Amino acid sequence: KAGVTQTPRYLIKTRGQQVTLSCSPISGHRSVSWYQQTPGQGLQFLFEYFSETQRNKGNFPGRFSGRQFSNSRSEMNVSTLELGDSALYLCASSLAYEGRTDTQYFGPGTRLTVL
Amino acid sequence: AQSVTQLGSHVSVSEGALVLLRCYYSSSVPPYLFWYVQYPNQGLQLLLKYTSAATLVKGINGFEAEFKKSETSFHLTKPSAHMSDAAEYFCAVSGDAGNMLTFGGGTRLMVKP
Repeated sequence: KAGVTQTPRYLIKTRGQQVTLSCSPISGHRSVSWYQQTPGQGLQFLFEYFSETQRNKGNFPGRFSGRQFSNSRSEMNVSTLELGDSALYLCASSLAYEGRTDTQYFGPGTRLTVL
Repeated sequence: AQSVTQLGSHVSVSEGALVLLRCYYSSSVPPYLFWYVQYPNQGLQLLLKYTSAATLVKGINGFEAEFKKSETSFHLTKPSAHMSDAAEYFCAVSGDAGNMLTFGGGTRLMVKP
């Protein structure tokens, strides 16, 4: 089975712009979660989508949003970029049926640099 | 709320020596515990997981971890370090808030020849 894929792998944007990152989960996985990794804050949970619905949300401002499509692919969007948004954004997929905790498998990440 | 503490942001061992990376968790429900490894410029790779079955969990690449409820710990060990083990290791917990992982701060493992 192919793993989790993320596109693009690298992005450079300037402050004030917006960006969309894409994630394709492992085939059959309906849960997609997003995490932000920075040297200062470590790995932090952004949100989780399951069957096109946001099921969990971390403590991030509303500039960070996401969605999931019927084929389980997911996108996250960051509007009005700030320098502090520079990070590695990781996507993870899992089976995670209703109410269950399940193993999450991570993609290679998208490295976002905000200038 | 769940949380994870990894002791030691950097650990250095000699090749062939024992690897011990420490992880303490807190969770208000029986936890699911994970160890992931991250190589430079890559995502996270699952090493092993604890899901309330056996307390001693074996993972890939010769790693194992022992769940100790009394100590709220889930330490990662490997009997003999290899140069290729040099990477950053993350302990994570889920269970309090559904399928959301809470990570420790990570431990960078360095292996000296």
